[in-house]
Parts: sequence; structure tokens; C-alpha cells
Amino acid sequence: DTVMTQSPDSLAVSLGERATINCKSSQSVFYSSRNKNYLAWYQQKPGQPPKLLIYWASTRESGVPDRFSGSGSGTDFTLTISSLQAEDVGLYFCQQYLTTPLTFGGGTQVEIK
Amino acid sequence: QVQVVESGGGVVQPGKSLRLSCAASRFTFNNYAMHWVRQAPGRGLEWVASISYDGSETFYGDTVKGRVTISRDNSKNTVLLQMTGLRVEDTAVFFCVKGFFEHSSSIDAFHIWGQGTKVIVSS
Repeated sequence: DTVMTQSPDSLAVSLGERATINCKSSQSVFYSSRNKNYLAWYQQKPGQPPKLLIYWASTRESGVPDRFSGSGSGTDFTLTISSLQAEDVGLYFCQQYLTTPLTFGGGTQVEIK
Repeated sequence: QVQVVESGGGVVQPGKSLRLSCAASRFTFNNYAMHWVRQAPGRGLEWVASISYDGSETFYGDTVKGRVTISRDNSKNTVLLQMTGLRVEDTAVFFCVKGFFEHSSSIDAFHIWGQGTKVIVSS
């Protein structure tokens, strides 16, 4: 199984500042035949289901603000919120979809400092 | 808008069975894989099961394999999750999720999530 490890578990960032979340996979999620990383990021606000933010490690889903960006390749990935807004508070998860079992990171709680 | 709505959750005793349903609307249902993902109280997300867009392939997480069956009816735009031999550790909110990529099976991101249905396994 591909284990996804996120860090930190939580972080508090001032409004307008940058938030950075890391995700590391125990095996590469890069598929060379398609030249793609099979990695997605989700946001879950309190009391709501998760929402897809980014797929292919760096492609923003339609309607996602451009302050959210994804980067990385192979086994190391990052989700960056360039300028934290109040509505960005929540739990963030990474997920690999290259192989079953599909696996998620443990989540990172983002709060306002 | 694109929507999936779960039903069928409730309180059930250990060892019993439960069937969850998911009704999908406003998208071409038979073009997309469908998935179940669960979230135990205060915990992270766990993939439970997936079914390919045409129903020909099914995939299960290790913790539920042999106890859970996913199925779909493309004529009714519905997905079912039949669960047997429920355990206390199966207590969770179960989300039905529309797959992101067309004509996929398990190799998929999770696009549209329902609000979830709560399953409580307790004696």
C-alpha cells in the first residue's frame, strides 16, 4: 500500500500570509507513460464534505481560487495557500490515485493565527 | 448542479448488515466511476470501495474486503453499498463520491461528494 504522510498536523497562519502543507508518499505516484503525478488535494470545512482542490498534483479544479497551488513530483508534494483568507480555515488532505488501495494523508488542520 | 445524495445510515448492532444507497443527478452517470469513502469521528478519510463507470469492475479497501459489496444501476442513477458483519470500528460517516475522470475505474480522484450518511455500530 502507498502510505501518504502529511506535515504538519496543524498550522496557524496570519491572514494574508502563506500556508504550506507537505505530503510525502511511500512510493512514487508518478506514472511515466502519461507523465503525470496521480496526486490530489482536498479541503474540508467544518461540517462539510471534502472538496476537490487540485488534481494531477498541480491542476486547479474549476472555481478554485488561484491562491491555491500544488507542486511536487514523485514522492514529495506541497499545497500552498499564497495569501490565507478566513474562509480557508479547515482540514486539508492529499490523496494518491495511482494504485489501489486509494490512500489519503492524515490531514492538516489550517487555522488563523 | 451535479449532486449525489446518500441514504440508509443508522444505528446497527455488531455483526448485522446495512445497505447504503446513493442517488446521483445532473450528470451523465454511466460515464463516471463511483466511490464510497468513510470518515470515522474526528478521524481522517478512508477509501472503502469503487465501481467502474460501467459496473464491470469493483475494488475494495482491505479493511472492508469480503464484508462489503458495491453495485450500481445505470438505469436508475444509483449506487449501493451492501455491508455485512459490521464492526464497532466501521462507525463512520460514509460519503458517496462521483469520480472525476470519465470512463475510469479505481484510478480516479474524488470529484463531487455527498453530505454523507452516518453509520453507528453499537450494541
